[in-house]
Amino acid sequence: SAVISQKPSRDICQRGTSLTIQCQVDSQVTMMFWYRQQPGQSLTLIATANQGSEATYESGFVIDKFPISRPNLTFSTLTVSNMSPEDSSIYLCSITPGLTNTEAFFGQGTRLTVV
Amino acid sequence: GNSVTQMEGPVTLSEEAFLTINCTYTATGYPSLFWYVQYPGEGLQLLLKATKADDKGSNKGFEATYRKETTSFHLEKGSVQVSDSAVYFCALSVGGFQKLVFGTGTRLLVSP
Repeated sequence: SAVISQKPSRDICQRGTSLTIQCQVDSQVTMMFWYRQQPGQSLTLIATANQGSEATYESGFVIDKFPISRPNLTFSTLTVSNMSPEDSSIYLCSITPGLTNTEAFFGQGTRLTVV
Repeated sequence: GNSVTQMEGPVTLSEEAFLTINCTYTATGYPSLFWYVQYPGEGLQLLLKATKADDKGSNKGFEATYRKETTSFHLEKGSVQVSDSAVYFCALSVGGFQKLVFGTGTRLLVSP
């Protein structure tokens, strides 16, 4: 198993500002993933973050809005930039410990409210 | 594209009742299927999985069978407990276990 620490757990932010969410894992992992869960909707993959390379974004998500850092094999950050109320969501960090591992592990999520 | 549809909730049951949460999927290729659970105040955790047709995943009294002919992966439990109250997510992945496509989640409320 893996332990994922995500912070902050929640925040209320003013529109137009940015928030950086941190994800710390207790072991080295190759791939880390960032998901968004909008109110009443399913989890949607934002991007995949590999150490030493640019993150790979899914359709509908762009680096300018959601810049990601992956400085080492145990840590990543997701920034939600120039926030609007539509960005109010739960943001989750996820890892799979191996390339062929059969289980994904998730952080507890960051509940973001933009006012 | 790949997508997952699961029944809307909340599902409200009395303790010891039978549970079914329906899940159907659309996928290109041969997906692996998962049920994740999120207990109050906790993160998502894997409940069970099935990687090929006719496989049955099981854990903690929950079961789900990968039905390719009906593209379904319904979650069942014969006798629910109050402690099963949580949100359940059906999910799939194609070509590896890393990228998951989730359903909208179904909240289960079990009363004593």
